[in-house]
Amino acid sequence: GEDVEQSLFLSVREGDSSVINCTYTDSSSTYLYWYKQEPGAGLQLLTYIFSNMDMKQDQRLTVLLNKKDKHLSLRIADTQTGDSAIYFCAEGNQGGKLIFGQGTELSVKP
Amino acid sequence: DTEVTQTPKHLVMGMTNKKSLKCEQHMGHRAMYWYKQKAKKPPELMFVYSYEKLSINESVPSRFSPECPNSSLLNLHLHALQPEDSALYLCASSQEGYRGEQPQHFGDGTRLSIL
Repeated sequence: GEDVEQSLFLSVREGDSSVINCTYTDSSSTYLYWYKQEPGAGLQLLTYIFSNMDMKQDQRLTVLLNKKDKHLSLRIADTQTGDSAIYFCAEGNQGGKLIFGQGTELSVKP
Repeated sequence: DTEVTQTPKHLVMGMTNKKSLKCEQHMGHRAMYWYKQKAKKPPELMFVYSYEKLSINESVPSRFSPECPNSSLLNLHLHALQPEDSALYLCASSQEGYRGEQPQHFGDGTRLSIL
């Protein structure tokens, strides 16, 4: 069956890099997504990567995809207190449904 | 700022009340979604409308009734809800119908509390 796994918590110091990891099981996934959810808010689409890409960079965000190992990571450079949030990894396949991981709560300490 | 607008932001209702949640998008998207989210958990898909037709109903109890009056609007009618229905209800939209390779854009949600 389809499954997406993430570690639940990550704590970093302001200015450090954060790396949030995700593993998925569905090899037919076409796109993989990262969403950010701040307290009391909805989900903000941060970035997404097509399954035939290895890497995508967008300002402070770098997404790495290892399709062989079904491993996705999100690196946030120069992490700020405003980056504190829950980050959800999700896979979308041709069946249409988004499968979300459990979310990683990122805590940034000053 | 989100391009998917949900109203109201907060709603408190009794178990015998009837209320509606509203969602609006002006991005020209042709698929719209309702999700239910409990605290610090991922969203759970409830309904999908694609080209204004109900495409997916994830075995949601009939006390939740969706409606898509036009391609920009999505409603969720609530009746005789239970305390366990208290949650954040999120609306989302995507560009070209219901496909996994279309990014979904979310609103800020309606926080619903059932007394």
